[in-house]
Amino acid sequence: QKEVEQDPGPLSVPEGAIVSLNCTYSNSAFQYFMWYRQYSRKGPELLMYTYSSGNKEDGRFTAQVDKSSKYISLFIRDSQPSDSATYLCAIRTNFGNEKLTFGTGTRLTIIP
Amino acid sequence: NAGVTQTPKFRILKIGQSMTLQCAQDMNHNYMYWYRQDPGMGLKLIYYSVGAGITDKGEVPNGYNVSRSTTEDFPLRLELAAPSQTSVYFCASRTTGVDQPQHFGDGTRLSIL
Repeated sequence: QKEVEQDPGPLSVPEGAIVSLNCTYSNSAFQYFMWYRQYSRKGPELLMYTYSSGNKEDGRFTAQVDKSSKYISLFIRDSQPSDSATYLCAIRTNFGNEKLTFGTGTRLTIIP
Repeated sequence: NAGVTQTPKFRILKIGQSMTLQCAQDMNHNYMYWYRQDPGMGLKLIYYSVGAGITDKGEVPNGYNVSRSTTEDFPLRLELAAPSQTSVYFCASRTTGVDQPQHFGDGTRLSIL
């Protein structure tokens, strides 16, 4: 079983829709949860970071963590064509461990 | 702001050749990383450094070497290139602090033929 599972998509939704992106993980020692956005031919850029269960909101983006189910989600409201990218979840154990475990990424396309 | 700069952007190597992928950051970050990204596989950590003179292996270090003589630079060396090393290589850096994000360069696309 992979440490982090992420549906690779591709996922296409119309502009303005709510997008839900998800990852599951197997190691209960994971404590820090991140979402990165990666445009084509570019490096990943951090969107959201959280280390607790519950929701964290930043503008149109909401990160949700359910540690009991080992499930994390990223919601995008009022999706825009500029949101078209690959979204990667990344998870880490406790502080001092430099290894980030990345999901395989979900390719998202927002259709105008 | 240059951020993290990787050179070259593209390279084709023959099997058995060697090369150095360059990475430089101008943010005075202590932590630097090298990842490889293969299709459908996510990013895998090759090596990382927590400061000048200190490096450590990541998840997939075989076939690679690194050095960190300055805070700014973190080159990745490929010796005896193999087709399995065909990938996109990303360098990243971050400052000290548990919640500080890694800033990535735009990658080097390497093909070994």
